[in-house]
Amino acid sequence: EDQVTQSPEALRLQEGESSSLNCSYTVSGLRGLFWYRQDPGKGPEFLFTLYSAGEEKEKERLKATLTKKESFLHITAPKPEDSATYLCAVQLDLNTGFQKLVFGTGTRLLVSP
Amino acid sequence: DAGITQSPRYKITETGRQVTLMCHQTWSHSYMFWYRQDLGHGLRLIYYSAAADITDKGEVPDGYVVSRSKTENFPLTLESATRSQTSVYFCASTLNRGTEAFFGQGTRLTVV
Repeated sequence: EDQVTQSPEALRLQEGESSSLNCSYTVSGLRGLFWYRQDPGKGPEFLFTLYSAGEEKEKERLKATLTKKESFLHITAPKPEDSATYLCAVQLDLNTGFQKLVFGTGTRLLVSP
Repeated sequence: DAGITQSPRYKITETGRQVTLMCHQTWSHSYMFWYRQDLGHGLRLIYYSAAADITDKGEVPDGYVVSRSKTENFPLTLESATRSQTSVYFCASTLNRGTEAFFGQGTRLTVV
């Protein structure tokens, strides 16, 4: 069964304290891996897409990396406004020719000033 | 403003009633989706649509019906609401197959 696991479930950091979030997956036929940010009471907001092992993408204080079995979201010198839930999703082929996203349950990040 | 909007934002309904959640997007995206988000489960796909009049089931379609007569609208109907359908529902759209999804603000549905 296709599975996406995110760790830790929750993470509390001090402002400026860098860390990494993990997304591990056991799937067949990975087409892409997506990272989203979700603020309370809002819909997920797209951050990155990674397609192949070794690929990296950066946006401000965030950097996403991908290996054959997992992805990391590195947060460098976080600020309180980075507090949110970060969701990972893998894109898989369906036999209809369509592609679906399978989401992890997310990591809740709290950055304290 | 362009975007994807859901209505209502909050809804309380009784068990057994029919309820429809609305989703409207202004980008003319081909693909639209309905997800539900529950604690411990993450986002799960209910139904998706590749174009007007083309819809298919996702992971958890039981008890739900969708239609897509126009590209911009993708309503989700709960035919006879049950308490297990209490959840936050998100609509999303993508321009093409496999590209990033853009999500609406969500509808929090409570079935009592």
